[in-house]
Amino acid sequence: AQSVTQLDSQVPVFEEAPVELRCNYSSSVSVYLFWYVQYPNQGLQLLLKYLSGSTLVKGINGFEAEFNKSQTSFHLRKPSVHISDTAEYFCAVANQAGTALIFGKGTTLSVSS
Amino acid sequence: NAGVTQTPKFRILKIGQSMTLQCTQDMNHNYMYWYRQDPGMGLKLIYYSVGAGITDKGEVPNGYNVSRSTTEDFPLRLELAAPSQTSVYFCASREPQGARTEAFFGQGTRLTVV
Repeated sequence: AQSVTQLDSQVPVFEEAPVELRCNYSSSVSVYLFWYVQYPNQGLQLLLKYLSGSTLVKGINGFEAEFNKSQTSFHLRKPSVHISDTAEYFCAVANQAGTALIFGKGTTLSVSS
Repeated sequence: NAGVTQTPKFRILKIGQSMTLQCTQDMNHNYMYWYRQDPGMGLKLIYYSVGAGITDKGEVPNGYNVSRSTTEDFPLRLELAAPSQTSVYFCASREPQGARTEAFFGQGTRLTVV
């Protein structure tokens, strides 16, 4: 069975600072990996995804993530955050050969000026 | 292109009442999911379906039922509502393979049981 651990429940940063949101997963089979963002009182929208190929994945709003198979990690990064990046971020893993789509507990990113 | 549509957006139920949360998608996806989201707990899978006529339990199915009579629709039924079912409910759909295998989400239904 797969599982996802988001290592930080809350990450406060100042505007224009870099940020990293950490995600580790466990799975005995090949997986797809996703990062979603949820703004207040809204649904989840896809930031980026890793399906195969290049381990560095670029997404919307200047975010990127790196798939590290040996460390089973998929950390999300942004070199300079904006106030508007304040939101909850979810890491998710899907079994390539099955139905499961498992989410982490989320990381709340708070950007202040 | 509507994507995934959930209704209603908000609902208050009294203990013991029942209701159906509606979910429909227009992307012809085979897989559909129902999650509940509670503060600090992420999204927990209630039920999922891999196609019309096929459903299966997720992590927290107690107190809920689903059906999948068509590819488009995946309603979630709450029988005998309890305060523990106060939550935000999200429906999602996806295709398991291909370049767009990510899940697409509805806007959620905020349910309060009093």
